[in-house]
Amino acid sequence: DTAVSQTPKYLVTQMGNDKSIKCEQNLGHDTMYWYKQDSKKFLKIMFSYNNKELIINETVPNRFSPKSPDKAHLNLHINSLELGDSAVYFCASRDRAGTEAFFGQGTRLTVV
Amino acid sequence: GNSVTQMEGPVTLSEEAFLTINCTYTATGYPSLFWYVQYPGEGLQLLLKATKADDKGSNKGFEATYRKETTSFHLEKGSVQVSDSAVYFCALILMNRDDKIIFGKGTRLHILP
Repeated sequence: DTAVSQTPKYLVTQMGNDKSIKCEQNLGHDTMYWYKQDSKKFLKIMFSYNNKELIINETVPNRFSPKSPDKAHLNLHINSLELGDSAVYFCASRDRAGTEAFFGQGTRLTVV
Repeated sequence: GNSVTQMEGPVTLSEEAFLTINCTYTATGYPSLFWYVQYPGEGLQLLLKATKADDKGSNKGFEATYRKETTSFHLEKGSVQVSDSAVYFCALILMNRDDKIIFGKGTRLHILP
């Protein structure tokens, strides 16, 4: 059983399209995150949610909208995709009483 | 602000060589420190962690000691293998409201047979 699962693993789409990436965790954690990894492997936080409440929104264009229907899910919707959105997007979760975060396998988004 | 600085890569070593990847941090408060590893085409996996000063984290032959006096958490391994080739990330978490995980820029490690 995968602890943090993301779908899809690969996503190729044209500029201007709207797409969603889904994330689910079965660890019972309170906090979930979205990170963006660029081509140089740099990891930048985008959003974090705690019990469905938005905690962090890091200067991300408003074309990106996270949605947390319950504390086990944090989806990422992206409108009007641009070439610069091409990256690997990672979902993660963490128990606030614990320390480390658990990461999904990533979604490689390619905008053409 | 809070930040993590780790040595630039890529680092290329021969099999069985000794490995050190330096990591220093800047933080207000007392962070927990981590090393994550990313194998090609995969997500991030926790390699080891330390939650307070002088703690030593260890896993798979890797070790790192939380040094508060030098604000460092250097990763070491006595004898690397080809299978250790990956990107290594040093990271910290501060236990406050936003619980942001702050990563270093990553160090790519190549091990030659």
